[in-house]
Amino acid sequence: SQTIHQWPATLVQPVGSPLSLECTVEGTSNPNLYWYRQAAGRGLQLLFYSVGIGQISSEVPQNLSASRPQDRQFILSSKKLLLSDSGFYLCAWTAVSAYGYTFGSGTRLTVV
Amino acid sequence: GESVGLHLPTLSVQEGDNSIINCAYSNSASDYFIWYKQESGKGPQFIIDIRSNMDKRQGQRVTVLLNKTVKHLSLQIAATQPGDSAVYFCADSGGYQKVTFGTGTKLQVIP
Repeated sequence: SQTIHQWPATLVQPVGSPLSLECTVEGTSNPNLYWYRQAAGRGLQLLFYSVGIGQISSEVPQNLSASRPQDRQFILSSKKLLLSDSGFYLCAWTAVSAYGYTFGSGTRLTVV
Repeated sequence: GESVGLHLPTLSVQEGDNSIINCAYSNSASDYFIWYKQESGKGPQFIIDIRSNMDKRQGQRVTVLLNKTVKHLSLQIAATQPGDSAVYFCADSGGYQKVTFGTGTKLQVIP
């Protein structure tokens, strides 16, 4: 069966520090991968999505970047975090020919 | 479409009553619709889906209704339980690559 792993679960980082969040999917190949952010009490904001290795589409201009170095690995990064980067970050995947997402358990990022 | 900047609307329901959560979508080309449940501190989980060639689909204690004429989707939860307390998101897709999420509704179950 397919599983999605996301880590860390919680992270507290100072302003100006770098960020690296990792997401991996098991049990499938060539998944579509997504990074979402959710501010407290808000909806889901699509940040990046990828349909293949090295293929990244950005939905909003921001302080973050994404990379897909391997088929089932998706990384969210920042060189210098801002206070406004605080939020709940969710990775998700879907099969190429399927609809609907399966979400990871999320990372709660607090920038202080 | 997305409404990521808005506070979530809240629906309060007495335990045992039925809950109805509504959602409007804007993309006429959407052909697949999903409801997700997100408990506090967790990622959203799939509840039920429906394709555009259907107007009703039932699961265990949940029913989704689709009205394509007015672009409206609803989730009905029968005999609401405390464990149903969560944020519920509708989502629509006109293609597999991107899914558009609704604002979300917070369901509070009153014991």
